Parts: sequence; C-alpha cells; structure tokens
Amino acid sequence: AQSVTQPDIHITVSEGASLELRCNYSYGATPYLFWYVQSPGQGLQLLLKYFSGDTLVQGIKGFEAEFKRSQSSFNLRKPSVHWSDAAEYFCAVAKTSYDKVIFGPGTSLSVIP
Amino acid sequence: KAGVTQTPRYLIKTRGQQVTLSCSPISGHRSVSWYQQTPGQGLQFLFEYFSETQRNKGNFPGRFSGRQFSNSRSEMNVSTLELGDSALYLCASSAGTGGETQYFGPGTRLLVL
Repeated sequence: AQSVTQPDIHITVSEGASLELRCNYSYGATPYLFWYVQSPGQGLQLLLKYFSGDTLVQGIKGFEAEFKRSQSSFNLRKPSVHWSDAAEYFCAVAKTSYDKVIFGPGTSLSVIP
Repeated sequence: KAGVTQTPRYLIKTRGQQVTLSCSPISGHRSVSWYQQTPGQGLQFLFEYFSETQRNKGNFPGRFSGRQFSNSRSEMNVSTLELGDSALYLCASSAGTGGETQYFGPGTRLLVL
C-alpha cells in the first residue's frame, strides 16, 4: 500500500527566509502527488499537484514543488516565507487519478517575525 | 460558486449513540470523499462516493457508513459511537473524473463523551 512520510513534524523559520518541507512516498510507479495547507480554523486548500510532465510544479501563494523519482520525494519550497504562511502542511498521494488520496502526517510551520 | 458545506459544524454525543453528518458538494461536482482528522492519526480516508456509488473505501470498521444522493449530497453515519471517534470529519468534493482538485469543507467537529 502506498504511504507518505513527512520527516519534519514542526519547522520554525524567520519571515523572509526560504522554506523547504520534505515529503517522501512509497509506491513503485509515479503516483499522483499533492500538497495541501490547513490554516488554523480553516479547511484544507490545495497548493499544487503533480501528475506527469515537468517535475517542477508551480502552485498558489508562491509555492513550488519538485518531483524526484529517484528519491521518491516531492518537496515543497518557497523562496521567501510570509507570516501568513504559518499553518499545517500536508503531502498526499494517490495511486491513480481515481484512487483514494492518502495524506502524510503533516508538518506544522511557525514563522518568526 | 458556493463552496463545500458541512452540517452540523459541531456536535456532542455520548458513547453508544449514533450520528449522521451531512456534506453538500460544490454544484456540478459528483464525487464526495470523507476524511477523519485526529491529532494522533492525522488525516485518514474514510470513503468516496461518485454518482451514488461507493468508489473507494478506507480501513474503518463497519460502524462507519455513508451514502450519496442523486443531487450529490452525501451523508456519513457512525453507529455505536466510541470515545475514539471524537475527531474533525472533513468532506471534499470534486468533479470525479479523475485527478482533479478536491475542495474541502470546513468540517464537522464531533466530540464523544
């Protein structure tokens, strides 16, 4: 069964600093990969997704993610973090476009002014 | 377009009771997925309904069930509630044709006493 790991439970960065959130998945083929954000008291919002093609994916709010098949990774990046980016970030994977979406445990991001 | 709505937003029940949660998807969406979110287990997939049929199922006991109506609205039911069922229950809707974005509702927070 596919699974998703997010090695960092909590990350703290200073406002304006760069950010990288790690995500690893276990699945043989190329899965469908997603990053979601959940702000306090808010529902989940899709940041970006990868199905095929260019391995560098651009998303909303200035985020991007890079799919690396050799490392089974799909890390999320942002060049300059804003205080409003403080939230919980979830990486997710689906085996096919019609399969259930499995979420990672999440990484909590704190931003220091 | 109106977003995904979930009712009720908050619910308190006692052990042994049953509960029904409702989800109204975005107009035109035919797929509704349900997730349970807890601090200990994170986001776990319950089931997905597409055009009134269960298309995917997670690893939850039979006490958890769902259904979808012809207007795509969905309900999930939990019978014989246990303390461990206390969680935020999220539903997400999508067009259901494969790989498209899921839009999440605000969730129903269930507390079992």
